Amino acid sequence: NAGVMQNPRHLVRRRGQEARLRCSPMKGHSHVYWYRQLPEEGLKFMVYLQKENIIDESGMPKERFSAEFPKEGPSILRIQQVVRGDSAAYFCASSPKQTDTQYFGPGTRLTVL
Amino acid sequence: AQKVTQAQTEISVVEKEDVTLDCVYETRDTTYYLFWYKQPPSGELVFLIRRNSFDEQNEISGRYSWNFQKSTSSFNFTITASQVVDSAVYFCALSYTNAGKSTFGDGTTLTVKP
Repeated sequence: NAGVMQNPRHLVRRRGQEARLRCSPMKGHSHVYWYRQLPEEGLKFMVYLQKENIIDESGMPKERFSAEFPKEGPSILRIQQVVRGDSAAYFCASSPKQTDTQYFGPGTRLTVL
Repeated sequence: AQKVTQAQTEISVVEKEDVTLDCVYETRDTTYYLFWYKQPPSGELVFLIRRNSFDEQNEISGRYSWNFQKSTSSFNFTITASQVVDSAVYFCALSYTNAGKSTFGDGTTLTVKP
């Protein structure tokens, strides 16, 4: 059973460009969570999704950030018009149920030049 | 609101020493889960343990052991006979059973020197 997959592992963008981060949950997992880890800090919750639904987006910045988890395909975290402060590691986690342990992907390291 | 505090920012030990990583949490809920994750230098997050709030039994897994005390809101992690491969950042996390998301502490960087 493959683990949580994230791609790309490293992403470099210039200020003003768009960043798309993908997450494929573990097989059988229908709950996906996105977290951001700024340098030298812990993980901060961003958004929690189930297939085709956003359950909790209380940690998402109000502008430029969006997330989706379509019926088919991976979950996507989209950052429009990136700024240097968006440089961070973005982790995706999945679980089979809301109350289950979240298993994390390897992360996407975003660098904004 | 929930909060996780890992007061030790960095710990350095010599191989074979025992080391305890502290975790103190705040929550108003009576039903919750506590976790420990390891983040080695390669950057991925490795799940170590999950404990629910109704189970205060201590747990041992090889060189790892966990001490959960609700009375002091602590969930401490001890590595016995540490090894260089234990060098990593260790995160403690808390989640409510009906909320999904986890709240993480800021992590403790453990360095084990040969």
